[in-house]
Amino acid sequence: DSGVTQTPKHLITATGQRVTLRCSPRSGDLSVYWYQQSLDQGLQFLIHYYNGEERAKGNILERFSAQQFPDLHSELNLSSLELGDSALYFCASSFESRAKNIQYFGAGTRLSVL
Amino acid sequence: GENVEQHPSTLSVQEGDSAVIKCTYSDSASNYFPWYKQELGKGPQLIIDIRSNVGEKKDQRIAVTLNKTAKHFSLHITETQPEDSAVYFCAASTSQGNLIFGKGTKLSVKP
Repeated sequence: DSGVTQTPKHLITATGQRVTLRCSPRSGDLSVYWYQQSLDQGLQFLIHYYNGEERAKGNILERFSAQQFPDLHSELNLSSLELGDSALYFCASSFESRAKNIQYFGAGTRLSVL
Repeated sequence: GENVEQHPSTLSVQEGDSAVIKCTYSDSASNYFPWYKQELGKGPQLIIDIRSNVGEKKDQRIAVTLNKTAKHFSLHITETQPEDSAVYFCAASTSQGNLIFGKGTKLSVKP
């Protein structure tokens, strides 16, 4: 168990809908990273938050947004969902903001858009 | 942009043989290179990492080598066991502070 908790584990929804994925980092970790994993694209970095502030953005669509709350948990919001958004979404946490810090991954949320 | 290429995409070995996975990266500023193992239905788990000031690192049956001049690094697994079967990802750090991942190698170890 990595100590990173993601909910829900599975999410099934329809095109055009909006969903929220939740991540609780390991105790003491200040950084949260979000990744999308699809069959043909591997792990794609979406966004990084450190202690409530956005630190870096990757290939995150404008329909997607995230935030990190004062208790350090993070939420990834996906709106106007399309079939192509079906994927595994992982969050990872680390103590600091530098990439040299080990990132610990949660078990992921599997999103199915029908 | 920044990119990490990983080869091969699939690898099948007999139990007891060695397995080698290779990655190349494009960002000269990369200085941290972790390897993750992902089992079915689980999140990636760090198995070994190497920093730019080191050329090789070993942990029991697993070793990683880094050639900064050529911008490539490799994972070596010796005496493979069926439980080594999984998808392995290499990654490289970026100047922004995040990781760029390779597309993964599915390793199958046949008993």
